[in-house]
Amino acid sequence: DAKTTQPPSMDCAEGRAANLPCNHSTISGNEYVYWYRQIHSQGPQYIIHGLKNNETNEMASLIITEDRKSSTLILPHATLRDTAVYYCIVLTDSWGKLQFGAGTQVVVTP
Amino acid sequence: GAVVSQHPSWVICKSGTSVKIECRSLDFQATTMFWYRQFPKQSLMLMATSNEGSKATYEQGVEKDKFLINHASLTLSTLTVTSAHPEDSSFYICSTPAGDRETQYFGPGTRLLVL
Repeated sequence: DAKTTQPPSMDCAEGRAANLPCNHSTISGNEYVYWYRQIHSQGPQYIIHGLKNNETNEMASLIITEDRKSSTLILPHATLRDTAVYYCIVLTDSWGKLQFGAGTQVVVTP
Repeated sequence: GAVVSQHPSWVICKSGTSVKIECRSLDFQATTMFWYRQFPKQSLMLMATSNEGSKATYEQGVEKDKFLINHASLTLSTLTVTSAHPEDSSFYICSTPAGDRETQYFGPGTRLLVL
């Protein structure tokens, strides 16, 4: 599975949108982009995933560039409960092994 | 609600003892479960893949005789840390893919402290 690169940390003001970038320049055609997050001392939580098209659900939006070499996770209105480490993972499908990188530590401040 | 549970949520044990951690899928069958461990301020590291009715597959560097995995039913996988030592103190997490092949569900984790 392709590797991903994310900034180590990011601060965001409560109520504002948080835009989390991820680079995956070696992604192959059948690989999806998955986002998970881990709140401190809890198990990771699935957020969203996509292949080519932009996706939106009740938690977030995922914007994938046309060349698929990078993507952005958008939390539209960040709350304090969104403080977590966010992981961008590329893999063929959810049955594959998830290889977690360092992720981005997002801190939402009042 | 939670779809994967772990028990216990935390455990403290003496060095040299064995500790069993359970991972259960709730309301669905889990033919495959993954086990991870996470040291403080580090990311999750995959330890092994547990398949119901067959032997687990271990990642490179993970001792299969120290971390015994049993997946005897479609809803339960267990990880036993044998002869635990302080360096085994960690946060152990299991996960299982959803039937729709779109997500993985993670357990809440088990914090192990070996004294």
